[in-house]
Parts: sequence; structure tokens; C-alpha cells
Amino acid sequence: DSGVTQTPKHLITATGQRVTLRCSPRSGDLSVYWYQQSLDQGLQFLIQYYNGEERAKGNILERFSAQQFPDLHSELNLSSLELGDSALYFCASSLETVNTEAFFGQGTRLTVV
Amino acid sequence: AQKITQTQPGMFVQEKEAVTLDCTYDTSDQSYGLFWYKQPSSGEMIFLIYQGSYDEQNATEGRYSLNFQKARKSANLVISASQLGDSAMYFCAMREGWAGGSYIPTFGRGTSLIVHP
Repeated sequence: DSGVTQTPKHLITATGQRVTLRCSPRSGDLSVYWYQQSLDQGLQFLIQYYNGEERAKGNILERFSAQQFPDLHSELNLSSLELGDSALYFCASSLETVNTEAFFGQGTRLTVV
Repeated sequence: AQKITQTQPGMFVQEKEAVTLDCTYDTSDQSYGLFWYKQPSSGEMIFLIYQGSYDEQNATEGRYSLNFQKARKSANLVISASQLGDSAMYFCAMREGWAGGSYIPTFGRGTSLIVHP
């Protein structure tokens, strides 16, 4: 158990809809990272929050947004969903150092139909 | 440019044999960390092993060892005595120094390992 909790585990929704993915980081970790993993792809970094503030942005579409709340849980909002948004979305948390691993949640498998 | 390169999309190994998964990285930082993760078919990301840029010894964790060649910027994962349960995707990752204010873990595209009985 990594200590990172992601919900829901599976999500099936229609094109054009909006969904919210939720992540609770490991106790003590201030950083939350969101990644997208499409079929046969590596992990694409989307966005990072640190202690409630956005710290870094990767290849995140304008239709996607995220936030981190005072209790440090984070939500990733995906709107106007397209078939190509179907993927495994991971949340990871860690300390902000080079020498500690990031701990991953179980992922949310999003299927857009 | 790719920060992490894994050139082997797929690898096969016989059970009980050793296998090496390749990873090369690109950074100009002096301080960085290298990580390997395993992703079984169930999808979760499992941390395996870590190597720091200043570590002089190769990291080892049970049957996993990291062959760190700093001058060549390579960090290959060696799995000894392969088991059927080692069949999975393996990702190499790096965290660099405080570039732009963050230590974002960057991942390679992964290597699919299949262990044959």
C-alpha cells in the first residue's frame, strides 16, 4: 500500500461530459503530481501542486484543470471529454527532493464512449 | 530531447535467468535521482529501486540491482533469477535538481518484460 488513495478506480462516461478524479496524498507529502498514461504510452506529466499552489504544468490540455485543497487532497477535472481522453490517470505524491521516490495511487481508468 | 530513453520496447527472459533492462538519461544537473518502477497488468506503479547521482555504489534491493554508469549516463536495471511474477512493464524515471522550482519525476516509455517458464 503506497499510502496514496485515488478514487474512483474506474470511470465510464460519454463524450462531452465532465468528470472529477480525486487523490489523497501520503501523509506528510505536500506535493501531488498528476500523470496520464494512454495505451502503450509512458507516463505523461500533467500538473503538480505543492501545498495548495500550482507549481508546474506539463502537457495538460486547457479542458483539464486541477486544484489542491487545504487538507492537501487534490482533484483533477476533465471536461468536454473526447474519445482520446480515455487513459489511466495517476496521482503521485512525494517529498520535494531528488532522492525520494514518488508514491503512486492505484490510478483511475477513464473510458470515454 | 528525451530526458529518459528506454530503447527496448519488449524483452523476453527464461525463468530463473537474469535480465538487463536499459535506461539512459539526459541531464546537466549534478544532483539527480534515478528510479525504476514496475507496472504489472493490474496497472499499479510499484517502486523498485533508487540510485542517487552521488552514490558510488550500485543500488541493490533483493533481486533488483541498478548498474549505474555515470559517465555514460546509463542506469540499467538488472533482475536476477527471474520469476513469472516479474512479467510487467518497467519504467525508468529521473528527478533532477530544482530546475524551475520543482523535482518532477520524468519517465521513459517503458520496457515490457515477459518471463517464460
